[in-house]
Amino acid sequence: SAVISQKPSRDICQRGTSLTIQCQVDSQVTMMFWYRQQPGQSLTLIATANQGSEATYESGFVIDKFPISRPNLTFSTLTVSNMSPEDSSIYLCSVGVGGYTFGSGTRLTVV
Amino acid sequence: QQQVKQSPQSLIVQKGGIPIINCAYENTAFDYFPWYQQFPGKGPALLIAIRPDVSEKKEGRFTISFNKSAKQFSLHIMDSQPGDSATYFCAASMGGAQKLVFGQGTRLTINP
Repeated sequence: SAVISQKPSRDICQRGTSLTIQCQVDSQVTMMFWYRQQPGQSLTLIATANQGSEATYESGFVIDKFPISRPNLTFSTLTVSNMSPEDSSIYLCSVGVGGYTFGSGTRLTVV
Repeated sequence: QQQVKQSPQSLIVQKGGIPIINCAYENTAFDYFPWYQQFPGKGPALLIAIRPDVSEKKEGRFTISFNKSAKQFSLHIMDSQPGDSATYFCAASMGGAQKLVFGQGTRLTINP
């Protein structure tokens, strides 16, 4: 299965600012997925990122709030924009190679 | 139709017991059903997965039972250990490397 490196592992941010999360995969993949896990909750898909095209967002998530880049087949970024305390969550990237693999996540706290 | 319903929400079992976690789905287009284990501060790790053409799959102490007609699947952990204490998620997807739909999660505690 693929190995995913996700950075940063955690951050504490001021409300109104933005944070960009990076996801690097050790093999080329067509699709990368970004999930949010709110405290004590399950995982919810934010968007699917395809290389060379616009990301596809799930209901309740919009590009202005969660812009995604996918410059090549091994890398993607998710930005959490204009943050509020409600954005405090764990953000995870995932790829579906040899079974779906997840990064270790970015634990975001907005104060 | 995209939901996966998981139960129980929490489960406490004595060491050596066999915890069972259940999931149910509605969308018959789902064709891949993985289970994930998550420890605090970590991302989910794939435990075991099954496809609907198989009724049971074992990997080590972990077994998935799959009932296609009932649209249900379950995870059994044999000879459970305190180190198995974690949150377990079932999930489902369709059509290859597509997005996963997750159950609500089960917080499992194995007492020594």
